[in-house]
Amino acid sequence: EADIYQTPRYLVIGTGKKITLECSQTMGHDKMYWYQQDPGMELHLIHYSYGVNSTEKGDLSSESTVSRIRTEHFPLTLESARPSHTSQYLCASSAVNTDTQYFGPGTRLTVL
Amino acid sequence: GNSVTQMEGPVTLSEEAFLTINCTYTATGYPSLFWYVQYPGEGLQLLLKATKADDKGSNKGFEATYRKETTSFHLEKGSVQVSDSAVYFCALSDVGGNQFYFGTGTSLTVIP
Repeated sequence: EADIYQTPRYLVIGTGKKITLECSQTMGHDKMYWYQQDPGMELHLIHYSYGVNSTEKGDLSSESTVSRIRTEHFPLTLESARPSHTSQYLCASSAVNTDTQYFGPGTRLTVL
Repeated sequence: GNSVTQMEGPVTLSEEAFLTINCTYTATGYPSLFWYVQYPGEGLQLLLKATKADDKGSNKGFEATYRKETTSFHLEKGSVQVSDSAVYFCALSDVGGNQFYFGTGTSLTVIP
């Protein structure tokens, strides 16, 4: 069983609000990822990190930002939420030199 | 580049029917191949994996064989149950295990 946590699980907010989605893992994994999952189920990589102080943008352009100050923590921030940000956000992690990603339960975000 | 092509859904089967979900891939080198499952309201869970040609991954009655000659990794189960209703994702990781590529997902509904 993977130990990766996301909070909140569900969030409904108004346009223009700043939000932070939390992701933490207790497995000591160096690599962490954020995916956006659209209603059609497809996963889009929006950010990833290979270790502390390392962050990269993924394939899908996103207005969000991430930080990696501690190994176990990889929060995602939206400075000004818009309805187009309504989606499911999934966090994942994997260890160096392994090829398996472990996923958190997801945060379902609705922006009104 | 790397990519995964997955059978379109949705798929509806009666309980105890045979399941096949097709997955083909394009990759450089020798990637690892995965099937993940996503139950409603949850994140993705690793179902099975295979790391080299002719390997068979298996778990919970599901199995898939890494076929390099046909670049395929089809998921099969001999007798599905209602509890198998979920979305199934085929995926590959690059040789370094840093980047993951997911198919678009196949929704399976099993009716009693």
